[in-house]
Amino acid sequence: KQEVTQIPAALSVPEGENLVLNCSFTDSAIYNLQWFRQDPGKGLTSLLLIQSSQREQTSGRLNASLDKSSGRSTLYIAASQPGDSATYLCAGTETSGSRLTFGEGTQLTVNP
Amino acid sequence: DVKVTQSSRYLVKRTGEKVFLECVQDMDHENMFWYRQDPGLGLRLIYFSYDVKMKEKGDIPEGYSVSREKKERFSLILESASTNQTSMYLCASTPWIAGGGETQYFGPGTRLLVL
Repeated sequence: KQEVTQIPAALSVPEGENLVLNCSFTDSAIYNLQWFRQDPGKGLTSLLLIQSSQREQTSGRLNASLDKSSGRSTLYIAASQPGDSATYLCAGTETSGSRLTFGEGTQLTVNP
Repeated sequence: DVKVTQSSRYLVKRTGEKVFLECVQDMDHENMFWYRQDPGLGLRLIYFSYDVKMKEKGDIPEGYSVSREKKERFSLILESASTNQTSMYLCASTPWIAGGGETQYFGPGTRLLVL
């Protein structure tokens, strides 16, 4: 059974810093990997989807990479802003269209 | 934009009540999912559906059932609510695309309190 772990559980940084959030998974047969953002008391917003055949995706200040052989994904946030404060979750699927297995998230605080 | 809506943002129910949580998506997605989210446990899958009238158990189906009579609507039913079902419930949908590449879209969540 796929297990997903996110480190660190919480992170506090000053505004403007570049940062990396880590996600590791136990089964290299992961199909897609998705990064989400969750604001307190709200649902999940999809940030980036790395498809099975891809190694990374970029959107604005965000870049996510996937290395199946090592069982790792990273989310890089450039020039962090207070508005980036949220919980970031990674999740993987085992096959196309199947259920997501989630990590527990990294709670990010960006201080002005 | 894809829209996934959930019938209630907050719900308070009594122990033993039958509770219905509704989820509707407007993008003709085949796949729909119900998760619950609890501090320290993360998101866990309760049930999912790949098609109308089709359902599959997730990791924690006990105490829940689901209904999918129409493609756009997926209902989660708590047959007899208990206090340990107090949680945040999240619905998601995704299209089935041959070869993969689909994003899961989430609703805003329903925070359920069972007294």
